[in-house]
Amino acid sequence: RKEVEQDPGPFNVPEGATVAFNCTYSNSASQSFFWYRQDCRKEPKLLMSVYSSGNEDGRFTAQLNRASQYISLLIRDSKLSDSATYLCVVKFSSGSARQLTFGSGTQLTVLP
Amino acid sequence: SQTIHQWPATLVQPVGSPLSLECTVEGTSNPNLYWYRQAAGRGLQLLFYSVGIGQISSEVPQNLSASRPQDRQFILSSKKLLLSDSGFYLCASRDTSSYNSPLHFGNGTRLTVT
Repeated sequence: RKEVEQDPGPFNVPEGATVAFNCTYSNSASQSFFWYRQDCRKEPKLLMSVYSSGNEDGRFTAQLNRASQYISLLIRDSKLSDSATYLCVVKFSSGSARQLTFGSGTQLTVLP
Repeated sequence: SQTIHQWPATLVQPVGSPLSLECTVEGTSNPNLYWYRQAAGRGLQLLFYSVGIGQISSEVPQNLSASRPQDRQFILSSKKLLLSDSGFYLCASRDTSSYNSPLHFGNGTRLTVT
């Protein structure tokens, strides 16, 4: 089993739709969680950190469920510019700098 | 905030030629530094990471090496490139002053080995 798993999609949604992605992780000692966005042929960019109580940034809401070991990203009122691959990143509680693990990404296409 | 400079943006090299990709970081001290590779349509593969000058950890056996001659400089090298070395190479930095700080990436180098 992979340490961090995401549904690869693709998710094709119309403009204005609400879409949600989940990401599961296997290590219960995981400590920090992030969502990144990667546009085609570009570097990943931090979208938002995920806090234990959940957090919101405009149209984006991130939630953490430690009991079930997953994080989620909700995008409301989807825009064409939201089309990208969304990467889940989990930081494990260990002394190694290697501790950050990326999911393979979920591809989103917002259609006009 | 951190700024990661990575160059060149694109590179076309023949098989058997050497490689040197450079990455420098501004806005932080003693960062953890990383080299990732991304094949077309695939996820990120961690190649090397470094917690300090001269300290390099290799994640996978391969045709590449890394060096960190200065605190905020990270270099990816190869003596002889293979076709399979083609890909999108990303340098990343993580501020160690905060335990939960995220990674920040450079713009990447797209390498094509012909």
